[in-house]
Amino acid sequence: NAGVTQTPKFRVLKTGQSMTLLCAQDMNHEYMYWYRQDPGMGLRLIHYSVGEGTTAKGEVPDGYNVSRLKKQNFLLGLESAAPSQTSVYFCASNDGKANEKLFFGSGTQLSVL
Amino acid sequence: AQTVTQSQPEMSVQEAETVTLSCTYDTSESDYYLFWYKQPPSRQMILVIRQEAYKQQNATENRFSVNFQKAAKSFSLKISDSQLGDAAMYFCAYASGASGTYKYIFGTGTRLKVLA
Repeated sequence: NAGVTQTPKFRVLKTGQSMTLLCAQDMNHEYMYWYRQDPGMGLRLIHYSVGEGTTAKGEVPDGYNVSRLKKQNFLLGLESAAPSQTSVYFCASNDGKANEKLFFGSGTQLSVL
Repeated sequence: AQTVTQSQPEMSVQEAETVTLSCTYDTSESDYYLFWYKQPPSRQMILVIRQEAYKQQNATENRFSVNFQKAAKSFSLKISDSQLGDAAMYFCAYASGASGTYKYIFGTGTRLKVLA
C-alpha cells in the first residue's frame, strides 16, 4: 500500500517555465489537497478537491492550476514559474471527515531561479 | 476566519526532560478538531495526537499529551521524557466541517531541538 505518492521529489525551473506536479493516492480518498510549505509560514492550502472532477481554491491559489480527472490523481500546474513559487509542495488526502488525519506525500522541493 | 497561532518558532529541551509547545486558535465554531503533526528532517508529516473539541478529557498518546483549554482556545502539546528522535518541526492544526466542506488550517510551526 503506497499511500500518497508525489512526483517528482525535486525540480529546478527557470523563471517562466511550466511544470506539473503529480499526486497519486491508492486509498480511494475523496478529498485531495495541495499545500506549500515555506519557512516561518507553515503549510498553506493552494487548491483542494472534494471529489473527481471538482476543484476549489484555497488560501494561496494565484499562479497555480489544478485538475482532478481521476479520483486517485490530483495534478498541480505552474504555467509560468516565478521565484516566489520556490517552496516545498505537499499533497495530502483523506475522506473529508474533520476528525480524520491527513495522509501526506513526501513532498516536492521546487526551486525557481 | 479561523486562525492558528504558534508563538514559539524554536524550543530546546534536554534529553529526558519535559517540554511544552504552545498553540492558540481562533474560531466561532463549536464543533472542531485539533491536531499536532510532527515533521522530522525526512520531511514526512506524522500525526502525533488529535483532540475532539466536544471532549473535555485531554488526549494522550504515550509520552505525548495535550492541555486543551476550550474557553481560552489553547491547545498545547507536552512531550515527556524527551528523546533525540523527538527533534522535529511540530505543527498545530485545526479542522472543522461546519461549513460543509472542511479544510485544515496549520500554524507556522515550532522547531524542537533535543539536547543530549
